This record gives sequence, C-alpha cells and structure tokens, in this order.
Amino acid sequence: AQSVAQPEDQVNVAEGNPLTVKCTYSVSGNPYLFWYVQYPNRGLQFLLKYITGDNLVKGSYGFEAEFNKSQTSFHLKKPSALVSDSALYFCAGGASGSARQLTFGSGTQLTVLP
Amino acid sequence: EAQVTQNPRYLITVTGKKLTVTCSQNMNHEYMSWYRQDPGLGLRQIYYSMNVEVTDKGDVPEGYKVSRKEKRNFPLILESPSPNQTSLYFCASRLQTGQGYGYTFGSGTRLTVV
Repeated sequence: AQSVAQPEDQVNVAEGNPLTVKCTYSVSGNPYLFWYVQYPNRGLQFLLKYITGDNLVKGSYGFEAEFNKSQTSFHLKKPSALVSDSALYFCAGGASGSARQLTFGSGTQLTVLP
Repeated sequence: EAQVTQNPRYLITVTGKKLTVTCSQNMNHEYMSWYRQDPGLGLRQIYYSMNVEVTDKGDVPEGYKVSRKEKRNFPLILESPSPNQTSLYFCASRLQTGQGYGYTFGSGTRLTVV
C-alpha cells in the first residue's frame, strides 16, 4: 500500500528566513507527487507537482520542492518566508498507473513569525 | 469559473437522520473523489469515481454511499450518520487522462453529528 508521511505537525520560521516542510513517500513504481496548501476555512489549493524530469520543481507563490528518489523525499522549500505563507500544507502522492490516485500526508501547520 | 461546488458548507444533524452532501464540477472531469479531513490524520479517501456509473471504495468507505449518474455530480450519502462521522469533507475532481493533473477541490463541508 502506498503512503505519504509528513513527520512534522508544526513548523515555525521567522519571516525572511528559508523554510522547509518535509515529506517522504512510499509508492510502488514511479511516483507522482504534489503539494497543496490550505488556508483557514478554505479548500486545498494546488502548489506544485512532480511527475518526471527535473528533480527541482517550481510552483506557485515562490515555492519549490526537491524530489529525491534515493531518500524517497519531496520536501517543500521557499528561500524567504512571508507571514502570509502561514497555512496548513499537505503532501500527496501516488503511483503512476494507480487507479486509487492520491494518498495524502497528515499535514504540517506552517507558522511564519513576524 | 472552473470550480467544484459543495453544498452545504456547514451542517449539524442528529444521529440516524439521512443526509446528502452534494458535489458538482463544471470542468468536464472524469474523475471525482470524496475525502474526509480529521486532525492529525490528513485527508482520507472515502469513495472515488472514474466516470459515470463507475465508483469504488477508498480507504474509509464504511457508513457512506455515493452515486455517479451524471458526469458533473457526485453526491455523498450518509444513510444513518453517527458521531464518528463528524468531520470536514472535501470533494475533488480531475481529468482522468494523464495522471499528472492535480485535483481541484471544493471549499469543504463541515459536518457535525450529535
């Protein structure tokens, strides 16, 4: 069975500092991976995805993620955090060819301190 | 505007009283799915549908039913709700072809069963 893990429930970072939100995955075959963000009382919004190709994926709002096959990780990063980045972040993944589609991680609450 | 519309946004009901949460998308997506979001557990898939009249169980289908009579609609039915179904529910859709496409999510339905 496929799984996605986000080992940190909460990440705090000072505004202007770089941020990293961690994600590891376990899927059979070639993975496809996503990051979503959820603001209070809103649905999930797509940030970026990895399907194939470059290991560094750039997405919305200045976010990027690095796919590392050997470590089965897909960490979300941003060089300089903004207070407005504070939200709940979800990593999701699945195996290419899987009819079950995406499995989500448990979420990481990011708080950017002014 | 391309969107997934869920109704109602908030619902309080009593144990055993049948209810339906509606979901409609205007993007001609083949694939639709229901998730529930609970603190610390992330999003768990309840049911999904790969096209009209094609539905299958996700990870937590017990106590739920779905139907897919039209491409745009994918209602979630709770025949006899119980308090452990109190949760935040999301409907999502995506194109079936090309698994690299991400989901579009609805704004969520917060259900409380007393």
